[in-house]
Amino acid sequence: DIQMTQSPSSLSASVGDRVTITCRASQSISSYLNWYQQKPGKAPKLLIYAASSLQSGVPSRFSGSGSGTDFTLTISSLQPEDFATYYCQQSYSTFTFGQGTRLEIK
Amino acid sequence: QVQLVESGGGVVQPGRSLRLSCAASGFTFSSYAMHWVRQAPGKGLEWVAVISYDGSNKYYADSVKGRFTISRDNSKNTLYLQMNSLRAEDTAVYYCARPRGPVRGVPNDAFDIWGQGTMVTVSS
Repeated sequence: DIQMTQSPSSLSASVGDRVTITCRASQSISSYLNWYQQKPGKAPKLLIYAASSLQSGVPSRFSGSGSGTDFTLTISSLQPEDFATYYCQQSYSTFTFGQGTRLEIK
Repeated sequence: QVQLVESGGGVVQPGRSLRLSCAASGFTFSSYAMHWVRQAPGKGLEWVAVISYDGSNKYYADSVKGRFTISRDNSKNTLYLQMNSLRAEDTAVYYCARPRGPVRGVPNDAFDIWGQGTMVTVSS
């Protein structure tokens, strides 16, 4: 099975900061990497699919990059509504999520 | 609008069974594969199972293989998860989710539509 490892597990940042979250796969997954945002008590929301494609309706401050085993999610300028938990997910071979990155207000 | 609504959760004793349902509306259900994803309290997301658009292909996480069965009734626009031999570690919110595109088989695609989730608690 493919394992997904996110770093950091938690992160404190301020409104306006640029933030990067990393996701590493245990083997190459090409570009089959997706990013989700989840707020407490809510279902996850798709942000980025296929490593770098922005889901419709998602603000352009979110971007994704990478291929193979190493991927990043970048938020260019944090907004108050961005404080949440972020998950990567591989869809190359069945489906596996990373353990999540909790983004907190500094 | 496109919507998924789960039901069937509750409190169940270890070793017993429970069936979850996911009612779909606002899209052509019979054209999409469908997934179940779960989240234990305070924990991350865990993919559980997927079924192809026509029910001919099914895949499971190792943690539920042999105990859970995913199925669908396209005439009722409904997805199911039959959970047998339940364990304490199956306690979680269970979400149904739809991949982005209607593709034959099981697409390697992200999940763009999620239900609100239904809570399953396995406890004596």
